[in-house]
Amino acid sequence: QKEVEQNSGPLSVPEGAIASLNCTYSDRGSQSFFWYRQYSGKSPELIMSIYSNGDKEDGRFTAQLNKASQYVSLLIRDSQPSDSATYLCAVNTGFQKLVFGTGTRLLVSP
Amino acid sequence: SQTIHQWPATLVQPVGSPLSLECTVEGTSNPNLYWYRQAAGRGLQLLFYSVGIGQISSEVPQNLSASRPQDRQFILSSKKLLLSDSGFYLCAWAPWGQGNTDTQYFGPGTRLTVL
Repeated sequence: QKEVEQNSGPLSVPEGAIASLNCTYSDRGSQSFFWYRQYSGKSPELIMSIYSNGDKEDGRFTAQLNKASQYVSLLIRDSQPSDSATYLCAVNTGFQKLVFGTGTRLLVSP
Repeated sequence: SQTIHQWPATLVQPVGSPLSLECTVEGTSNPNLYWYRQAAGRGLQLLFYSVGIGQISSEVPQNLSASRPQDRQFILSSKKLLLSDSGFYLCAWAPWGQGNTDTQYFGPGTRLTVL
């Protein structure tokens, strides 16, 4: 059973702080990794994808991948109340399918 | 640009009634298509996926079925709904031929309540 694990939270951070979201996966052969944001009652929207070890930055978001340790993280700098949402980690383990974690709920307080 | 549509947006159905949810994608050809269910407070469960017309793979044995009658149309059906079928149903598409970099994009979802 291929698994993706996330802490359910909530992770509470003050406005302007850095939020750090983590994800571990079980399939060592995984090749691509994704972070989605889901607001309450809405569908997931893609934030970032990462395929190689290291960091990938896009605006206030940085994805970090460490295949040896089998973890992916998402850093959100200068967190805003509008960042309050559930963040889903997804891993492509081949066969054109993604396995999703259950998500981490982030709360950013003004 | 590509757009994905789902309807209806919300649905309330009695136990034992049939179900038909529709998903269509615009602006792309031969996409991979996916149906997920998200129960309240839980993660995304992959139900079906399709890599082409008439090609359906089932992930979870249950009373649901899927069909792909046209390239960009994906339908989720049930003959008799159960209480446990309640949830948020999401359709997603991925560009064809991406190999291991299958980025999926989600539609707006259908919220189904079975009473």
